[in-house]
Order: sequence, then structure tokens, then C-alpha cells
Amino acid sequence: AQTVTQSQPEMSVQEAETVTLSCTYDTSESDYYLFWYKQPPSRQMILVIRQEAYKQQNATENRFSVNFQKAAKSFSLKISDSQLGDAAMYFCAYRPDTGTASKLTFGTGTRLQVTL
Amino acid sequence: EAGVAQSPRYKIIEKRQSVAFWCNPISGHATLYWYQQILGQGPKLLIQFQNNGVVDDSQLPKDRFSAERLKGVDSTLKIQPAKLEDSAVYLCASSLGWRGELFFGEGSRLTVL
Repeated sequence: AQTVTQSQPEMSVQEAETVTLSCTYDTSESDYYLFWYKQPPSRQMILVIRQEAYKQQNATENRFSVNFQKAAKSFSLKISDSQLGDAAMYFCAYRPDTGTASKLTFGTGTRLQVTL
Repeated sequence: EAGVAQSPRYKIIEKRQSVAFWCNPISGHATLYWYQQILGQGPKLLIQFQNNGVVDDSQLPKDRFSAERLKGVDSTLKIQPAKLEDSAVYLCASSLGWRGELFFGEGSRLTVL
């Protein structure tokens, strides 16, 4: 069974600084997708960034970037120039590329606080 | 573009009572998901629909939970009878297809007393 582990229950960063959230996963599949989702206090989950396992280049979306280490099964999220609006729960998620029934599995989340 | 709509936002019931949640996905999205998010945990998939057919319900407690997606659009999730451990946020999500980005609703928070 696939598992996703986020070992940091909480993280704190000062505004304008950089923070890295960690995620590891376990799978025997070779083709899969990895995601970071953000869940603000209003609870609506939104996609932050997505990485296809077959791509060696790390995904980047504005201030958000990932460090994808396939051999180590590691997928960390770096947030640069942190803003107050970045405060939220962040979930790492994994989805195998095995067809219609492939399931999105989430980690337990990391709560990010942004301080002035 | 309208997002995923869910209702009710909050529901408080006593154990052994029944409850139903409703979800209206984004127009045109073929795939619909129900997730259960217990406090302090990540969302767990309960059931996944492709149009009006069930793709995965392996983690749905079928003795008390049921879900349907009529005409491949709206969906309802029902719990009967509810247990204390069913207290959670129930998230509905939809995507164009199984490979597409998931768009989530704001969730329905259930408290079972």
C-alpha cells in the first residue's frame, strides 16, 4: 500500500523568508504523480504544485518549488518570500498512474504559521 | 466558473441518527470524489465516481455509509446510523477525468454527539 509521510506537524516562518516542508512516500510504482495542496482555515483545499515522476526537472510555480528526489522517494516544498496568506495546512499527496481507479493518498499535513 | 458546491456546511446529530450530504461538482467534470477528513489527519478517500459509476469504494464503511451520483452530476453521501467516530469534515471534489486536477468544495463538518 502506498503511504505518504509528513514528519513536520507544524512549521513557522517569518514573512519574506524561505521555508521548506518535507514529504516522503512509499510506492512500488514507477509512474505516478505527486502534489502539494494548501488548505486555509476556510477548509477549501487548493492545488499548489504538481510533479510527474517521469520528469526529472523540478516543478516551479511562482514562489513555490519542489525538490523531487525519486530514488530517495522524497518530495519537499519550498516557499520563497513567504507571505501572510501562505499560512495554512499543507498536504503532500501521491497518485499512481495506473488508470481510472488510481487513488489520491494524502499525508497528515503540516501546519504553516507565518509571522511578522 | 462556479466551484464545487456542498451542503450543509455544518451538521450536529446524535449517534444512531442519520445524515445526508449533497455535492454539486463543477459542470462537465466526470469524476467525483468523497473524502473524509478527521481532525488532525489528511483526507481519506471514501468513494470515487466516474460519471455515475463507482470506480473505488474500498474504504467506504458500507454497513453505514452509502453514496450515489444520479445522472452523473450531483451526488449524495448518507450515513445511517451515525457513530461518534464519524465526526469529521466530508469533502467533495471533482475533476475533468481521473488524471485531472481535483477541485474541492468547502466541506461539510459533521459532529456526532
